[in-house]
Amino acid sequence: GDSVTQMEGPVTLSEEAFLTINCTYTATGYPSLFWYVQYPGEGLQLLLKATKADDKGSNKGFEATYRKETTSFHLEKGSVQVSDSAVYFCAPSYHNYGQNFVFGPGTRLSVLP
Amino acid sequence: NAGVMQNPRHLVRRRGQEARLRCSPMKGHSHVYWYRQLPEEGLKFMVYLQKENIIDESGMPKERFSAEFPKEGPSILRIQQVVRGDSAAYFCASSPRPTPDEQYFGPGTRLTVT
Repeated sequence: GDSVTQMEGPVTLSEEAFLTINCTYTATGYPSLFWYVQYPGEGLQLLLKATKADDKGSNKGFEATYRKETTSFHLEKGSVQVSDSAVYFCAPSYHNYGQNFVFGPGTRLSVLP
Repeated sequence: NAGVMQNPRHLVRRRGQEARLRCSPMKGHSHVYWYRQLPEEGLKFMVYLQKENIIDESGMPKERFSAEFPKEGPSILRIQQVVRGDSAAYFCASSPRPTPDEQYFGPGTRLTVT
């Protein structure tokens, strides 16, 4: 079935460090790709998305590019802040009628001051 | 425009009792999705509903679990005869369209079975 592989955490970085969280998905069809973020005790919030090959999604300094040739959607940020500490989920959405997301296991990020 | 609302936020049930989780989608959203998040795991899709219809329940356990989204009122996820393994966070999401677009998530209900 459809699946997503995501970099395992936890990831611990110092403030202002560069962040990369890897994500690859199964190439069944042509999914839309999303990154969601979950802050402690809260539900998921959309961080960014891309709907076709070579699209770049960006928000709050985070960005990710839809790479069809490598079936990847890696999340990057040039300079992380303490407030970025959260769990990040990569989630392709396949164009089946159920329209449900396939969530990765999540990557917990801790940013130290 | 209020976001997706879920209640209760925390629910404690003894083994064998019933749990009812409620989800009010965003205004204008007629598509509702339920997900379960086990401790330290990602979200697993359970069921997708439109008003009065179950569209996809491929992620629902075959027994004890049911969901509905009536014409009036919130969507309900019902778990009968709860067991310890049902302890998890249950998230509801809604969307205005059935296309693979953004889903808006509620804050979740944390169910603890003692």
